[in-house]
Amino acid sequence: GDSVTQMEGPVTLSEEAFLTINCTYTATGYPSLFWYVQYPGEGLQLLLKATKADDKGSNKGFEATYRKETTSFHLEKGSVQVSDSAVYFCALSERGQGAQKLVFGQGTRLTINP
Amino acid sequence: GAGVSQSPSNKVTEKGKDVELRCDPISGHTALYWYRQSLGQGLEFLIYFQGNSAPDKSGLPSDRFSAERTGGSVSTLTIQRTQQEDSAVYLCASSPLAGGANTQYFGPGTRLTVL
Repeated sequence: GDSVTQMEGPVTLSEEAFLTINCTYTATGYPSLFWYVQYPGEGLQLLLKATKADDKGSNKGFEATYRKETTSFHLEKGSVQVSDSAVYFCALSERGQGAQKLVFGQGTRLTINP
Repeated sequence: GAGVSQSPSNKVTEKGKDVELRCDPISGHTALYWYRQSLGQGLEFLIYFQGNSAPDKSGLPSDRFSAERTGGSVSTLTIQRTQQEDSAVYLCASSPLAGGANTQYFGPGTRLTVL
């Protein structure tokens, strides 16, 4: 079945550091790819998404590019802030009919120190 | 506009009791999903409703779990004879349309603790 693998956390960085959180996927079809973020005490919210190969999703300074050849969707940000501290989830959703459930990675906890 | 709401926000129950968890999706959203977030299993899909179609129950972990969606809007997830391993945060999400490219909007969750 479909699966998503994220780099293990926790990840601790200093403010203004460069961030990469790796995400790779296995899917039978041609999925859409997502990054969701869960800030402390809050619910899951969409950070960015990409629906076809070579698409780049971006939001709040974060970017991720859908790489079909490497089945990857790595999350990057050039200069992190303390407010970026959260748990980040990579996810996929298959196209087609029926339930388009999200399949999530295990999550990566990110802590940014001032 | 209003987002997805869930109630209660916290529920503590004794092993063997039944519980009901409620989800109010975003108005006009036709697709509704339930997920479970637990320490050991991460985020898992439970069940999906889309319009008047039969729900996809493929993620329900046992026959103690059931869900319904009344009038294409509010949904209730019921867990009968709760067990300690049912302790988790239960998340509801809705989406304006079916289809894998559509964003799912999540509620704040119900934290269930089974003693």
